[in-house]
Amino acid sequence: GDSVTQMEGPVTLSEEAFLTINCTYTATGYPSLFWYVQYPGEGLQLLLKATKADDKGSNKGFEATYRKETTSFHLEKGSVQVSDSAVYFCARGLPYGQNFVFGPGTRLSVLP
Amino acid sequence: DAGVIQSPRHEVTEMGQEVTLRCKPISGHNSLFWYRQTMMRGLELLIYFNNNVPIDDSGMPEDRFSAKMPNASFSTLKIQPSEPRDSAVYFCASSFVSTGELFFGEGSRLTVL
Repeated sequence: GDSVTQMEGPVTLSEEAFLTINCTYTATGYPSLFWYVQYPGEGLQLLLKATKADDKGSNKGFEATYRKETTSFHLEKGSVQVSDSAVYFCARGLPYGQNFVFGPGTRLSVLP
Repeated sequence: DAGVIQSPRHEVTEMGQEVTLRCKPISGHNSLFWYRQTMMRGLELLIYFNNNVPIDDSGMPEDRFSAKMPNASFSTLKIQPSEPRDSAVYFCASSFVSTGELFFGEGSRLTVL
């Protein structure tokens, strides 16, 4: 079945460090790809998305590029802040709710 | 704009009691999803609706769980009877069928004693 794989966490970084969270997906159909973020005690919020190959999604300094050849959608940020501490979920989905699958989430802790 | 609204935000109940969780999706959205989140199992899709019709309920754990969507602006998830292993945060999300992008509510934290 369809799946999304993320790097195991937790990830602990110092403030201003470079962040990469790896994500790979199964390529059934032509899914859109998403990164969601969940802050403590809150629901998931869309961070960024990409709808087709080679698209780059970006928001709040985070970026991810839809790589069809490697079926990847890695999340990157050049300089993390303490306020970025959260759980990050990679997801893939098709219209009509089909096969919308979340990865297991990666917990990020940023230390001052 | 109002987001997805869930109630109650917190519920503590005793084993065997009936629990009803409620969700109001974003106006105009025509897909609705119920998820359950636990530390052990992560985020699990329970059921989703398109245009008020249940499309996939394969994630509903057992017959104790039921979900309804009587109209485009309201859905319920019911657990009867509840058990301690049902303790989790239950999220509702909605979307436009055509985009696949989900918008989440803040969740209902259920504790079954």
